[in-house]
Amino acid sequence: GAGVSQSPSNKVTEKGKDVELRCDPISGHTALYWYRQSLGQGLEFLIYFQGNSAPDKSGLPSDRFSAERTGGSVSTLTIQRTQQEDSAVYLCASSLDRQFVMNTEAFFGQGTRLTVV
Amino acid sequence: AQKITQTQPGMFVQEKEAVTLDCTYDTSDPSYGLFWYKQPSSGEMIFLIYQGSYDQQNATEGRYSLNFQKARKSANLVISASQLGDSAMYFCAMREEGSSNTGKLIFGQGTTLQVKP
Repeated sequence: GAGVSQSPSNKVTEKGKDVELRCDPISGHTALYWYRQSLGQGLEFLIYFQGNSAPDKSGLPSDRFSAERTGGSVSTLTIQRTQQEDSAVYLCASSLDRQFVMNTEAFFGQGTRLTVV
Repeated sequence: AQKITQTQPGMFVQEKEAVTLDCTYDTSDPSYGLFWYKQPSSGEMIFLIYQGSYDQQNATEGRYSLNFQKARKSANLVISASQLGDSAMYFCAMREEGSSNTGKLIFGQGTTLQVKP
């Protein structure tokens, strides 16, 4: 498809287990974002990949969270030893971010709803 | 420090009337972009409108316009002739150009708009 694809769409996991969330960005998009959204709340920035630059990890809430982006395309967000407070919708977005060009909108996936029981 | 502030958690508007959703931002970067997104109950994120910090005119897209007051650091979204389908959560977001090409997109907490018939 032409849009941002996330999998799985829903994930229920037991507290303490590790989970991996996947994001397939739009082909050719250099920038990829991960956000977390709790019910009825705003988007909490987690991590930002831009081309070959070092990722901006400033939003990761703890060292249990990590993300990688292989080959400048697919990204995986990993949460280790999940806690109940990790329950949220995890949104991925991609865009054609370029330096000095500000008007590139981000396109979002449908999100992964994570429930930790 | 909060970069994007949306002070209205919830708003009501009568169908066919206009409504203004507030957004203020904080940046010392002279080059930045401001975005508005709509999130219906289905959860998808829909890009509405963009305003660049150097743009001389307020952005408009159909029934959406952006009231950009640079000195006040505000970028309010105006929706004219509200429709029932406008009921959704609305997010203001900003990207700073920065000095190291790490211009991540940061979102406000959102405003829930309900359009009354």
